[in-house]
Parts: sequence; C-alpha cells; structure tokens
Amino acid sequence: GESVGLHLPTLSVQEGDNSIINCAYSNSASDYFIWYKQESGKGPQFIIDIRSNMDKRQGQRVTVLLNKTVKHLSLQIAATQPGDSAVYFCAETAGGFKTIFGAGTRLFVKA
Amino acid sequence: NAGVTQTPKFQVLKTGQSMTLQCAQDMNHEYMSWYRQDPGMGLRLIHYSVGAGITDQGEVPNGYNVSISTTEDFPLRLLSAAPSQTSVYFCASTSDTGREQYFGPGTRLTVT
Repeated sequence: GESVGLHLPTLSVQEGDNSIINCAYSNSASDYFIWYKQESGKGPQFIIDIRSNMDKRQGQRVTVLLNKTVKHLSLQIAATQPGDSAVYFCAETAGGFKTIFGAGTRLFVKA
Repeated sequence: NAGVTQTPKFQVLKTGQSMTLQCAQDMNHEYMSWYRQDPGMGLRLIHYSVGAGITDQGEVPNGYNVSISTTEDFPLRLLSAAPSQTSVYFCASTSDTGREQYFGPGTRLTVT
C-alpha cells in the first residue's frame, strides 16, 4: 500500500549548520511531494513542495531534493536557526486532494 | 482572515458518547480534510472533500462521519466514541492547487 516514511526520528544540529531531513516513499504514482513543519502545540505549516517530474526546488533557506530512482526525498535547511526547531513531515499527493503524511522527524537546534 | 478555526480546543468524552468537531475556513477554499495525530506520530487522513459536495474516505475513516453543508464548514462527527479515538484532530483547508494545506490549531480529544 501507500506509505511515506522517514529514516531518522530525531536530528540534532548546531545553530548555523545545515540540516538535512530525509524521507522515503513507496507510491510511484504520487505527483507532488510536500514538506510541512509542525511546532509544538500547533498545526502543520506548509514549507515547500516539488512536482514529481522535478529533482530539485529551492525556497528561502530550504531546498527539496527528489530522487525517484530510489524513491527518496530530502529537505535541506541552510544556516539552521533556533526557530527551525520543530517536527518536519514529508507528505505526498496523487491525482487529487488526498494527502498522505509520513511519521515525522524532530529537529533540535543547539545554540 | 482567521484562516482555519476549530472548536472545541479540548474535549473529554465517555466511551459511547457522540460529538461533532467543528471546522470552519474563510479562505474560499473548496476542499477540506480531517486528520488525527496520535502522540509521537504523523497525521493520518480520516476524510476529505473532493469538491461538488462529495467526500471520500482517507486512511482511518471508521467511526467517523463528515458532511458538507457549505464550503466554509466541514464538521467531523464521532458516532460512538472509543478510547482508541483519543487523539489530536486537525482540520485542513486545501488551496486550489491541491497541494498546500492550511491547518487549524487542533482539537485535543480524550475518550475515557
């Protein structure tokens, strides 16, 4: 069945360093892959998405990489800041408005 | 704009009780979804709307109903609450692209 999962449940980085959060997916039919950030006690917040026919997309301080050969997605955060501490989810959609989320990675930023 | 609002923020139910979680959005989005999030877990899709007043089941639809009376509201009804339904429930409104979702603050439900 469909599944979206993450390699690492927690990630700890030093402030100013770059962070890389990974995600594996299994549904080859997904047309978009999306990253969300969830801060404690809040709902998830959209960060960036990438269409399945792309391999890289950049936003403000974030880059998403998609490797369809190995069904792997990553989110890179440049110059990580304390405000980046949160749980990050990858998600995927396939042909509509049904979005399936992965389990999440908690990012800790050490000052 | 308030975005997506959910009520109540907290709720405690006894097993077997029914209740409706409210969700409203003011962004003129046509599509909405309900998720549940268990501690330390990701979000699991319960039901979602696909437009034209039609809804579809997500990953974990059993024990829940949804209805669409207006495009602004998308209530989630628990038919007969069970302890396994203890969770945080999030409602989301989906942009016209179908990708970017805007989430409400959540309802924390405990079933005893």
